[in-house]
Amino acid sequence: GAVVSQHPSRVICKSGTSVKIECRSLDFQATTMFWYRQFPKQSLMLMATSNEGSKATYEQGVEKDKFLINHASLTLSTLTVTSAHPEDSSFYICSASPERNIQYFGAGTRLSVL
Amino acid sequence: QKEVEQNSGPLSVPEGAIASLNCTYSDRVSQSFFWYRQYSGKSPELIMSIYSNGDKEDGRFTAQLNKASQYVSLLIRDSQPSDSATYLCAGLNAGNMLTFGGGTRLMVKP
Repeated sequence: GAVVSQHPSRVICKSGTSVKIECRSLDFQATTMFWYRQFPKQSLMLMATSNEGSKATYEQGVEKDKFLINHASLTLSTLTVTSAHPEDSSFYICSASPERNIQYFGAGTRLSVL
Repeated sequence: QKEVEQNSGPLSVPEGAIASLNCTYSDRVSQSFFWYRQYSGKSPELIMSIYSNGDKEDGRFTAQLNKASQYVSLLIRDSQPSDSATYLCAGLNAGNMLTFGGGTRLMVKP
């Protein structure tokens, strides 16, 4: 399957810090990438759709000023959690689709805000 | 009704048995479906996709799609302890976005 790289895999930071997460498609170009969040023992929740060259589309209830998404190229999307607080602690996962709506996921980033 | 629904489990099967995982979907979900496996603390891994009515086999895995009854299933033959994970069913909704079920936790006991 296609390879999606996500970095970093683990972040521990103090409250108020901004955290940047990168998502790269390694062997294909992705016009669209997706960002999900998953709390313990819960299913994946789509946060936003990242569109190359244009603004991201956010799901209802997701603060766009809190979760900044930049999709500068066909292989890279970044999610920045601004002024992170303990309630933002979660597992953040990106995905990208090379074909026919099949999504491949990055390894995820576990964010812990102290 | 949720777009994609799964029994949360856990589903417990003995090693070597067939594990049967089921998923139902609403009218808001299209005809493209996917099964992902997620180990604890890891991200989902695509196992199979299915688009047409009927069965699709890949190794020990068989996906089944029944459009008339709006259900999708995943059969795992010769279940192994390493198959123990949460299995996520997903389909495309009207906005062409992937929508996930809550996942079924499978436990394969040696």
